[in-house]
Amino acid sequence: GNSVTQMEGPVTLSEEAFLTINCTYTATGYPSLFWYVQYPGEGLQLLLKATKADDKGSNKGFEATYRKETTSFHLEKGSVQVSDSAVYFCALSGGTSYGKLTFGQGTILTVHP
Amino acid sequence: GAVVSQHPSRVICKSGTSVKIECRSLDFQATTMFWYRQFPKQSLMLMATSNEGSKATYEQGVEKDKFLINHASLTLSTLTVTSAHPEDSSFYICSATRGQNTEAFFGQGTRLTVV
Repeated sequence: GNSVTQMEGPVTLSEEAFLTINCTYTATGYPSLFWYVQYPGEGLQLLLKATKADDKGSNKGFEATYRKETTSFHLEKGSVQVSDSAVYFCALSGGTSYGKLTFGQGTILTVHP
Repeated sequence: GAVVSQHPSRVICKSGTSVKIECRSLDFQATTMFWYRQFPKQSLMLMATSNEGSKATYEQGVEKDKFLINHASLTLSTLTVTSAHPEDSSFYICSATRGQNTEAFFGQGTRLTVV
């Protein structure tokens, strides 16, 4: 079956530091890959997605590249802000429904001024 | 983006009682809604998929008689935890999509505590 493995957290960074959160997956076929973010007290929001190999998803300074050869979808941001503090979830969808998702365990990111 | 509202956000109930959680798409018609459960420090686990007007499809290991799902309209799905027990205490999250290959929008989640 499908599975997603995410870097263990929590991750604590200073403002303007470089961020990487690792994500690898196991899936049959050609899944679509997603990063969701959950800010304190809110629901999950789609941050970015990639639907085929070598696609790069990007949003709000975050980016992730769909690497089929390494089955990875690592999240990066060059300079984090305090407002980026949240829980980040890597997820995949194995079929045509982007709603039926397999999630990683989530990574808590805290950014200090 | 579209808004999905979940209610209540928190509920405490006594063991043996039933609890209903509502998931509403406020500004779009949701052809499909999904229910997830999240244990502390763990990932979200898909419980079931519901399509308007038809029976929900449950994931392996999820008791359909325990977790009743009704998707009576294109804007409302409900999850009823029947005869709740302390082990049912968890964070339940719903999501909704407009159709295939479209983004899923999530509710804020419901924290259920069974005492």
